[in-house]
Amino acid sequence: GNSVTQMEGPVTLSEEAFLTINCTYTATGYPSLFWYVQYPGEGLQLLLKATKADDKGSNKGFEATYRKETTSFHLEKGSVQVSDSAVYFCALVTGGGNKLTFGTGTQLKVEL
Amino acid sequence: DVKVTQSSRYLVKRTGEKVFLECVQDMDHENMFWYRQDPGLGLRLIYFSYDVKMKEKGDIPEGYSVSREKKERFSLILESASTNQTSMYLCASSLPTGWSPLHFGNGTRLTVT
Repeated sequence: GNSVTQMEGPVTLSEEAFLTINCTYTATGYPSLFWYVQYPGEGLQLLLKATKADDKGSNKGFEATYRKETTSFHLEKGSVQVSDSAVYFCALVTGGGNKLTFGTGTQLKVEL
Repeated sequence: DVKVTQSSRYLVKRTGEKVFLECVQDMDHENMFWYRQDPGLGLRLIYFSYDVKMKEKGDIPEGYSVSREKKERFSLILESASTNQTSMYLCASSLPTGWSPLHFGNGTRLTVT
């Protein structure tokens, strides 16, 4: 079956620091990969996605590259802000139907 | 913007009660989902629906049922609430293609005492 493994949090960074949140996956078939973000008190929202190998998804300064050879989709940002404090979920889907498999989430805390 | 509205932000119910969680979306999406979110476990899929009156079990359907009588509404039912169903419940909707984003509601935090 499908599974997603994320680094455990919380991750605490100072503002303007570099961020990496690791995500690796196992999948039956050829997955599409996603990062979702959940701000405090809200539901999840799509941050970025990649649908084939070597694709780079990007949004709001965040990036992630679909690496088929290492089955990874690590999230990066060059300079985090306090407003980036949230929980980040890596997810994948294979086949039709849009039934996503999520990782356990990584909480990011950014301090001044 | 797509809006997914969950009827309650917080609910407190007693063990054995029948509980209804309601979700409405306003973008005519075919797919709707119910997830529960627990610390350290992430999101786990309870049920999903591809169309009116259609439903399929997700990864953890035990103790739950669903109803989809209208395209915009997807209800989660706890037939006899138990304390281990205390959790955050998230509803989502999407278009039917596999890479279409899920649009989530803000969640219902259910406490069963």
